[in-house]
Amino acid sequence: IVMTQTPLSLSVTPGQPASISCKSSQSLLHSDEKTYLYWYLQKPGQPPQLLIYEVSHRFSGVPDRFSGSESGTNFTLKISRVEAEDVGTYYCMQSIQLPLTFGGGTKVEIK
Amino acid sequence: EVQLVVSGGGLIQPGGSLRLSCAASGFSVSSTYMNWVRQTPGKGLEWVSVIYRGGSTYYADSVKGRFTFSRDSSKNTLYLQMNTLRAEDTAVYYCTKAWDYWGQGILVTVSS
Repeated sequence: IVMTQTPLSLSVTPGQPASISCKSSQSLLHSDEKTYLYWYLQKPGQPPQLLIYEVSHRFSGVPDRFSGSESGTNFTLKISRVEAEDVGTYYCMQSIQLPLTFGGGTKVEIK
Repeated sequence: EVQLVVSGGGLIQPGGSLRLSCAASGFSVSSTYMNWVRQTPGKGLEWVSVIYRGGSTYYADSVKGRFTFSRDSSKNTLYLQMNTLRAEDTAVYYCTKAWDYWGQGILVTVSS
């Protein structure tokens, strides 16, 4: 399954919203009615950290300014008000089918 | 607190072998599935292998037949045995607990 992320990079003014898209080449909807799409943020020098699982569920400790949504095979991560600590590279990932695959990443910087 | 500490990386010549370890704490490695993922500047994040609770393992085509994923429940540690290493295996390797926690990553460099 190919995961296509856009844009490649994003420059955002603090306090402004940001949106990242991820399109999967196949449905990520499992027979258990869960959709296995994840969002990660990788800050410089750190491993990826889980933000969102199963499209829209925020992981423990993730601020509520992060939200995820879907429309068919199109997925969106939204940051309602970007903060300085949100800089890094964001990745989407699917785990419905092996091999598990990641999007190419979206680098977010602060203006 | 979940912790994953990866060790065993370094510089190795093409054709050589290396074993990565991932020592877990805060949970049992046999209670969930675990993965190895690698990252290179050119290819981004690449899933390498998974071991399920029952012990079954699966591999990316790029490493199948060369890498072996195992676990020692008594030590709560995972291992990635990497044989016949190639230059394209050069990457930072991460172990992950399911998809929620990632270890800090370790660099493997395959070069003569």
